[in-house]
Amino acid sequence: DADVTQTPRNRITKTGKRIMLECSQTKGHDRMYWYRQDPGLGLQLIYYSFDVKDINKGEISDGYSVSRQAQAKFSLSLESAIPNQTALYFCATSDGINLAGDTQYFGPGTRLTVL
Amino acid sequence: QKEVEQNSGPLSVPEGAIASLNCTYSDRGSQSFFWYRQYSGKSPELIMFIYSNGDKEDGRFTAQLNKASQYVSLLIRDSQPSDSATYLCAASANFGNEKLTFGTGTRLTIIP
Repeated sequence: DADVTQTPRNRITKTGKRIMLECSQTKGHDRMYWYRQDPGLGLQLIYYSFDVKDINKGEISDGYSVSRQAQAKFSLSLESAIPNQTALYFCATSDGINLAGDTQYFGPGTRLTVL
Repeated sequence: QKEVEQNSGPLSVPEGAIASLNCTYSDRGSQSFFWYRQYSGKSPELIMFIYSNGDKEDGRFTAQLNKASQYVSLLIRDSQPSDSATYLCAASANFGNEKLTFGTGTRLTIIP
């Protein structure tokens, strides 16, 4: 079974709809991240959480919110989706321990299309 | 603002040759560096990380770090068509205490 899972894997929605993307992990890591990826733009950090009580904005948090329900779960919400939020979304985790502690492990991604 | 720069490519390399991927970073305080491979439409997967100046080898892959020049590279020996992917470089400022800053990636194509 995959260590980092994301649901749904694909989603098509309409402008103005609220949508939630979910991420779960069985790696036991404290740190979780949400990224979006657009063609040619690399990975852009939306939000990150270093533990259950810690939430931080990334580079492009406007229009997004998150919830860290438990160590293993980190959800991303689009309150009112717009077409330029069409992208590939990745969740990632890291353990923050020792020299390799910043190594991030990625989920399979959610392809979101906003019409 | 911390930046990690990569040539977007595409970089085309004949099968069996050495592919050389380069990355520069602006934050002199960066401590550890990561190379990820990403196939189209898939998630990034870690190839290797490096934190000491010099070379680090893992199979066909060698990462090279030069902190004085703020330069990281990845060499792929005996390139295979399956190595065709986008390669992402990332940097972290403090061990275990920082998020990663990613470059935009270099697209590599291995020509059979």
